[in-house]
Amino acid sequence: ELKVEQNPLFLSMQEGKNYTIYCNYSTTSDRLYWYRQDPGKSLESLFVLLSNGAVKQEGRLMASLDTKARLSTLHITAAVHDLSATYFCAVDTANTGTASKLTFGTGTRLQVTL
Amino acid sequence: EAQVTQNPRYLITVTGKKLTVTCSQNMNHEYMSWYRQDPGLGLRQIYYSMNVEVTDKGDVPEGYKVSRKEKRNFPLILESPSPNQTSLYFCASRFSGTGSFSYEQYFGPGTRLTVT
Repeated sequence: ELKVEQNPLFLSMQEGKNYTIYCNYSTTSDRLYWYRQDPGKSLESLFVLLSNGAVKQEGRLMASLDTKARLSTLHITAAVHDLSATYFCAVDTANTGTASKLTFGTGTRLQVTL
Repeated sequence: EAQVTQNPRYLITVTGKKLTVTCSQNMNHEYMSWYRQDPGLGLRQIYYSMNVEVTDKGDVPEGYKVSRKEKRNFPLILESPSPNQTSLYFCASRFSGTGSFSYEQYFGPGTRLTVT
């Protein structure tokens, strides 16, 4: 059974600080997603990582994928309050390019304080 | 506007009373799926559909049914709801095929279901 583990589950950080959220998964996959969810809202797609070594950046967030280590990271640079949300990683374990079976991590609740 | 819509957004019902949650997308996506979100468990896939008349079970299909008679619609049916199906439900869609654009999955706004 595929396991997707995120660390930490809860993160309280000050504005201006840097931090990294980790996503470990237990089976081979070369497709990994990061989503953001605000309280009471739907999921917003942040990054789609499709190959080993993929790195994507958007604003203060940067995501990377190491398929050999089965690890993805979401790095936050100089955090601001607007980044407060819950962040999920999800691993796609479908065997074909057309199917999609996403297994989600339990999420990391990020709270950025002044 | 490209979007995935769900109805209703909130529903309180009683055990055993059949209900349907509708999902519709206007992006001509082949692939659609349903997830439920529970505290501490993240999101878990219930059912998915590769295209019209093609559906398959996800991780937690028990107690649910789906149908895909039209490309744009993918309703979730609870024939006899029970309290353990109280959850937040999301519908999602994406294109099928390869290519980085096709892996982007779009989520609906969610349906909060309470079964008493």
